[in-house]
Amino acid sequence: EAQVTQNPRYLITVTGKKLTVTCSQNMNHEYMSWYRQDPGLGLRQIYYSMNVEVTDKGDVPEGYKVSRKEKRNFPLILESPSPNQTSLYFCASSPELSYEQYFGPGTRLTVT
Amino acid sequence: AQSVTQLGSHVSVSEGALVLLRCNYSSSVPPYLFWYVQYPNQGLQLLLKYTSAATLVKGINGFEAEFKKSETSFHLTKPSAHMSDAAEYFCAVSQAGFKTIFGAGTRLFVKA
Repeated sequence: EAQVTQNPRYLITVTGKKLTVTCSQNMNHEYMSWYRQDPGLGLRQIYYSMNVEVTDKGDVPEGYKVSRKEKRNFPLILESPSPNQTSLYFCASSPELSYEQYFGPGTRLTVT
Repeated sequence: AQSVTQLGSHVSVSEGALVLLRCNYSSSVPPYLFWYVQYPNQGLQLLLKYTSAATLVKGINGFEAEFKKSETSFHLTKPSAHMSDAAEYFCAVSQAGFKTIFGAGTRLFVKA
């Protein structure tokens, strides 16, 4: 089944404890992206990647890191999480030049 | 800079009535335009997309949208609402390079 998977689905952590949210797609898509969803704000793009080793900042990159060492994986790293990063996070992938995005199920992160 | 405005954070219609969800965008170059739907506790899925082939775009579940360049609008419509259409709807704009902006979303309520 073609899909985007994210792990974990739910995470509660404390301020300052480094964490990684994994994202993987099995559709051989070139493009991948991370978003956060907050009430009343829609989805805001954190980082995106157009291919292996090619990443760029979205609108809200502060406090986040990404890497794209393999085409199928695009992990999101929070080096020192803070409470304002409590949010619902979505990973998405897209075929090159199509821009239609296939979303993962989401990761609900709470930072206390 | 790109922006997306969805008029109305909540829209309520009766079952069988017309659904109209409004989206206006700003973009310095011809954009790729999308509507996505999010059902409760799920990720987003693509409803339809505009990529300059035709101004009236048909999507899944009976939805369609019309691209009007002069009005910079991409409103979503459905002739007859069904209870299963109750969800949150997001308009999005992408440009070359995969930078993407989402609107804040419109939650659709369908009354029996």
